[in-house]
Amino acid sequence: NAGVTQTPKFQVLKTGQSMTLQCAQDMNHEYMSWYRQDPGMGLRLIHYSVGAGITDQGEVPNGYNVSRSTTEDFPLRLLSAAPSQTSVYFCASSYRFLTSGYSYNEQFFGPGTRLTVL
Amino acid sequence: DAKTTQPPSMDCAEGRAANLPCNHSTISGNEYVYWYRQIHSQGPQYIIHGLKNNETNEMASLIITEDRKSSTLILPHATLRDTAVYYCIVHAGNMLTFGGGTRLMVKP
Repeated sequence: NAGVTQTPKFQVLKTGQSMTLQCAQDMNHEYMSWYRQDPGMGLRLIHYSVGAGITDQGEVPNGYNVSRSTTEDFPLRLLSAAPSQTSVYFCASSYRFLTSGYSYNEQFFGPGTRLTVL
Repeated sequence: DAKTTQPPSMDCAEGRAANLPCNHSTISGNEYVYWYRQIHSQGPQYIIHGLKNNETNEMASLIITEDRKSSTLILPHATLRDTAVYYCIVHAGNMLTFGGGTRLMVKP
């Protein structure tokens, strides 16, 4: 298994440009999510999906769009890039386990995309 | 989700046990305690999780107090490769909220 893959590894954009960060997983995971990590900070959730055709907003969704047409892919679209979106973007996927009424998961993270917006 | 409190940094001698504490005094009954780590600028890596009982796997042990208000991650024999930021997260759903974590420095 390749696990969670992200492309590109690095990207430089000019303010106002749009682009799509790609994320794919080959583990048949239901859940996928996008996080951003600013320098010296923890990760913050942007958007997530609990299955194909279902997405929801996380902590910092403004300026980003997502869609989930297949189980494997979860692209993140920057509509009009701004310098404040300079960050490292991580994609993650997981199963959802249910036991005795409790749910938990183990998230697998991709290697990240380092985005700079000038 | 319950918030967690971790020391910002810790040092550990190579070969010794690293004990990383986490306070989560507002944890709810159905919230799990998760530990992840992030080595340098790589994607976070899952370590272990638990609900009520202590847990052990090939990477670490997780000790949860009886009242579930705090926990300790134990790396039994720390190596230089364990130098990383360790995140303690409590959550009941599917998506994680990361705090600042503890930066563990393993020294020779």
